[in-house]
Amino acid sequence: AAGVIQSPRHLIKEKRETATLKCYPIPRHDTVYWYQQGPGQDPQFLISFYEKMQSDKGSIPDRFSAQQFSDYHSELNMSSLELGDSALYFCASSLVMGGLGDEQFFGPGTRLTVL
Amino acid sequence: QKEVEQDPGPLSVPEGAIVSLNCTYSNSAFQYFMWYRQYSRKGPELLMYTYSSGNKEDGRFTAQVDKSSKYISLFIRDSQPSDSATYLCAMYSSNTGKLIFGQGTTLQVKP
Repeated sequence: AAGVIQSPRHLIKEKRETATLKCYPIPRHDTVYWYQQGPGQDPQFLISFYEKMQSDKGSIPDRFSAQQFSDYHSELNMSSLELGDSALYFCASSLVMGGLGDEQFFGPGTRLTVL
Repeated sequence: QKEVEQDPGPLSVPEGAIVSLNCTYSNSAFQYFMWYRQYSRKGPELLMYTYSSGNKEDGRFTAQVDKSSKYISLFIRDSQPSDSATYLCAMYSSNTGKLIFGQGTTLQVKP
């Protein structure tokens, strides 16, 4: 079965650079979520999109922005990178936002290292 | 205080032991309770979910929810080395559409 695809799997950037992470949800899923997981930390919700519109916002820095495109894939743009941005970034997708038993399927994550 | 609290461990048990993983939460608006398993360098994988108080069993795994005490547990019977992973509890409220994770408990099952 198709799963959530994230690219790249690994990314190394220097401070003050920009990075773009991509997420391709499971086909027919209309909701995408972004999470940040620091070393030894639990995943922290960043932002979510439903039907290409931002639906909820968590602890996402102003330096980050995201969008969902017409084909439902999503991109997380990160600017002025800081050392503390080094983390595993997960994308998850689900079929119906807020529905009963709304199950989020996670991608493998993008490991971002900021030097 | 975090909305969801989970003992980070690490927890080390011999093969065949019964494992008990626990979380407490403070937000009574949470409606759905999940357990995720995360292997090293992998994404979280949904293990079980429930939305009512009581027990839910799936093979060697039993999820238990006590809404009155705001306490959830995951029991693993006959633990196997392949169960070695980090287990994250998570709570979901349809009001917010957000999934709030616990800190995760690292489990090691020794052969």
